[in-house]
Amino acid sequence: DAGITQSPRHKVTETGTPVTLRCHQTENHRYMYWYRQDPGHGLRLIHYSYGVKDTDKGEVSDGYSVSRSKTEDFLLTLESATSSQTSVYFCAISESVGRDTEAFFGQGTRLTVV
Amino acid sequence: RKEVEQDPGPFNVPEGATVAFNCTYSNSASQSFFWYRQDCRKEPKLLMSVYSSGNEDGRFTAQLNRASQYISLLIRDSKLSDSATYLCVVNLLRSYIPTFGRGTSLIVHP
Repeated sequence: DAGITQSPRHKVTETGTPVTLRCHQTENHRYMYWYRQDPGHGLRLIHYSYGVKDTDKGEVSDGYSVSRSKTEDFLLTLESATSSQTSVYFCAISESVGRDTEAFFGQGTRLTVV
Repeated sequence: RKEVEQDPGPFNVPEGATVAFNCTYSNSASQSFFWYRQDCRKEPKLLMSVYSSGNEDGRFTAQLNRASQYISLLIRDSKLSDSATYLCVVNLLRSYIPTFGRGTSLIVHP
């Protein structure tokens, strides 16, 4: 399995509090992604990174920010958590793009905002 | 229209059955295609890539139809352990953003 870990694995937080999720990889892959997965919506891209300090928004980026100061770490921050951000969050990594380039996923973080 | 569309199912089949899923994509510039498998409460994992010439891996066969813009996954001799959600993934040319379908749920029963 690819060396990708997410922390924490589970978190319960209160509305209005900041939350940071961490994705750590040991594969030295260039591309990193944050997705959220909700019933009826599938995987939706929040933010992605194509290099250190190079990030961009995905389709559901409102309320989220990211940072990548090192190749191995990609942080997702909910500045002020809302109940609509209760979800399962997956980090993924990819070495390159194009044919035969698969994305590897972390085990996910289950976030509950109460 | 969503870029990648799948029938959510569930497909409920008996052991030993053959089942097929389709996935349609809207962007003709799509370059690479994959099927992922996701077990309940787990992360998605690559099942197989999909090549223009079609490819087979044991009981699984993947096909690409560029003219009609869809890919398919055929599972023969279904096993109970095949029960999962199958996600279709499409990458656009020169894009590093994999686009996922919502997944098709398969339930194989005894």
